[in-house]
Amino acid sequence: RKEVEQDPGPFNVPEGATVAFNCTYSNSASQSFFWYRQDCRKEPKLLMSVYSSGNEDGRFTAQLNRASQYISLLIRDSKLSDSATYLCVVNGPNTGNQFYFGTGTSLTVIP
Amino acid sequence: DGGITQSPKYLFRKEGQNVTLSCEQNLNHDAMYWYRQDPGQGLRLIYYSQIVNDFQKGDIAEGYSVSREKKESFPLTVTSAQKNPTAFYLCASRRSGQAGETQYFGPGTRLLVL
Repeated sequence: RKEVEQDPGPFNVPEGATVAFNCTYSNSASQSFFWYRQDCRKEPKLLMSVYSSGNEDGRFTAQLNRASQYISLLIRDSKLSDSATYLCVVNGPNTGNQFYFGTGTSLTVIP
Repeated sequence: DGGITQSPKYLFRKEGQNVTLSCEQNLNHDAMYWYRQDPGQGLRLIYYSQIVNDFQKGDIAEGYSVSREKKESFPLTVTSAQKNPTAFYLCASRRSGQAGETQYFGPGTRLLVL
């Protein structure tokens, strides 16, 4: 079983739409959770950390459900510039040093 | 500017050749990582280092070697034993091993086999 699983998509949505991505992780002892954004042929960049109480950054909202072991990312009022691949990332439970990456969910925002 | 640099951007390897990918950071981060990314797959950990002169194997270390002689530098050598080296290689660093600390990535090196 993979450490982190994501729906690969692709998600094709019109500008202004709201879109949600989910991600599940297998290790219940995982400590830290993140969403990264990766543009085509570029390196991943941190979008936001995910906190237990949920957190928001502008149009982006991240939620963590430890009981069900899933993480979500909600994007409101989608912009063309949101088109990218979104990676769910989980930090290992023991040393805190190993990160596990989902395969990514592809989003295309259509004019 | 603080950041992580990787070179070269593109690298071509001939059969049986060892090649070395450079990764340098001036963020004063303790931990550094090497990942490989293949199409349709998530990033997979090759090696990581938490401090100078120490490193550990990741999930796919076979055919690769690293060194960590300086805090700023973590070069990766792709040896001839790595039979399928064509991939996008990403170096990352992290301030420490504390939970919640994020990783920051360099721009990557694309390795192609001739």
